[in-house]
Amino acid sequence: KAGVTQTPRYLIKTRGQQVTLSCSPISGHRSVSWYQQTPGQGLQFLFEYFSETQRNKGNFPGRFSGRQFSNSRSEMNVSTLELGDSALYLCASSKGTGGPYNEHFFGPGTRLTVL
Amino acid sequence: KNEVEQSPQNLTAQEGEFITINCSYSVGISALHWLQQHPGGGIVSLFMLSSGKKKHGRLIATINIQEKHSSLHITASHPRDSAVYICAAFNSGGSNYKLTFGKGTLLTVNP
Repeated sequence: KAGVTQTPRYLIKTRGQQVTLSCSPISGHRSVSWYQQTPGQGLQFLFEYFSETQRNKGNFPGRFSGRQFSNSRSEMNVSTLELGDSALYLCASSKGTGGPYNEHFFGPGTRLTVL
Repeated sequence: KNEVEQSPQNLTAQEGEFITINCSYSVGISALHWLQQHPGGGIVSLFMLSSGKKKHGRLIATINIQEKHSSLHITASHPRDSAVYICAAFNSGGSNYKLTFGKGTLLTVNP
């Protein structure tokens, strides 16, 4: 069974631009969650989707948004990029509804660099 | 102060040693996950805990909800165990949970 895939793996953008990252979950998984990882803040939860609905959201500004499609694939978008948005963005999928009681399977991440 | 504290931040061991990594949290939680991250970024979920103890091979995880503390133990450590270990605390069992991560423990196991 294929794992969680994320595209692109690496991305370089300049301040003010916007970016869209994609995550394809494991087949049969309906929950997708997104995380940001930086050297200073570590891992932080962005949001979680289940059946095309955002179930939960972390403490990030409105520039960070996401959506989930009917095939469970998910995208996240960051508008008006700032230097501080440079990070590794990880997504994870779960068989159930996600959250605390389901195992999360992580993708390899997208390394975003903002210049 | 982070609501989830891990210790130690860095740990160097010799192959075969018994390893303990600790995770303490200041708020009530419903579940705690242990994650392993290898160089290059890939993360693997090791354990999900809401009570008691779990064991997978050489790895053991325990949690004491009342004392707000969890430990990850590695028996007979091996260089391939070298990685960053991260605990993640969920403060609620419902969909409206708050998820907080520890800063991670960098484990290096020397042959």
